Amino acid sequence: AQSVSQHNHHVILSEAASLELGCNYSYGGTVNLFWYVQYPGQHLQLLLKYFSGDPLVKGIKGFEAEFIKSKFSFNLRKPSVQWSDTAEYFCAVTAYSGAGSYQLTFGKGTKLSVIP
Amino acid sequence: DAGVIQSPRHEVTEMGQEVTLRCKPISGHDYLFWYRQTMMRGLELLIYFNNNVPIDDSGMPEDRFSAKMPNASFSTLKIQPSEPRDSAVYFCASSFSPTSSGTQYFGPGTRLLVL
Repeated sequence: AQSVSQHNHHVILSEAASLELGCNYSYGGTVNLFWYVQYPGQHLQLLLKYFSGDPLVKGIKGFEAEFIKSKFSFNLRKPSVQWSDTAEYFCAVTAYSGAGSYQLTFGKGTKLSVIP
Repeated sequence: DAGVIQSPRHEVTEMGQEVTLRCKPISGHDYLFWYRQTMMRGLELLIYFNNNVPIDDSGMPEDRFSAKMPNASFSTLKIQPSEPRDSAVYFCASSFSPTSSGTQYFGPGTRLLVL
């Protein structure tokens, strides 16, 4: 079965520190990869996504992620975090299996706390 | 478009009562998803529909949970009878086909508390 692992449950950083959140998935076929963000008390919003092409994907608010197929990874990065980046981050993987059916899996999420 | 609309935003009920959560997806989206989020279990996919047809309900916890999508613009998630362990935030999301986009757009959620 498809699975998504997010290595860190809770990450605490000071403002201006660099961020990297790990995401690994297990699925042998073609996948679409997503990072969603959930700010405190809000719903999930798309941060960035990878479908095909350049494996380095740039998203909103200065975030980027790199798809490394050989490592089944899609890590999220930001060179300099801000207090407003405090949120929970979810990695998600979808794989289409035809006839309207596809597998969809979210990771458990990583809470990011940025200290001013 | 107003985005995915969910109602109610908050629901407090007593154990044993029936709870109905409602969702209006973004117009034109042909996939609709129901999720449950708790501190203990994180974000769980309960069920999803494609063109109003349930495709995968393997995430539905038990028979007390049921979901319907009578038309392209409306879906319900019903819990009958409700139990305290059902307390969670329930999100609805919609998307185009994964072959064209697949980005899910989430509603604001319904915060359910079962006493």
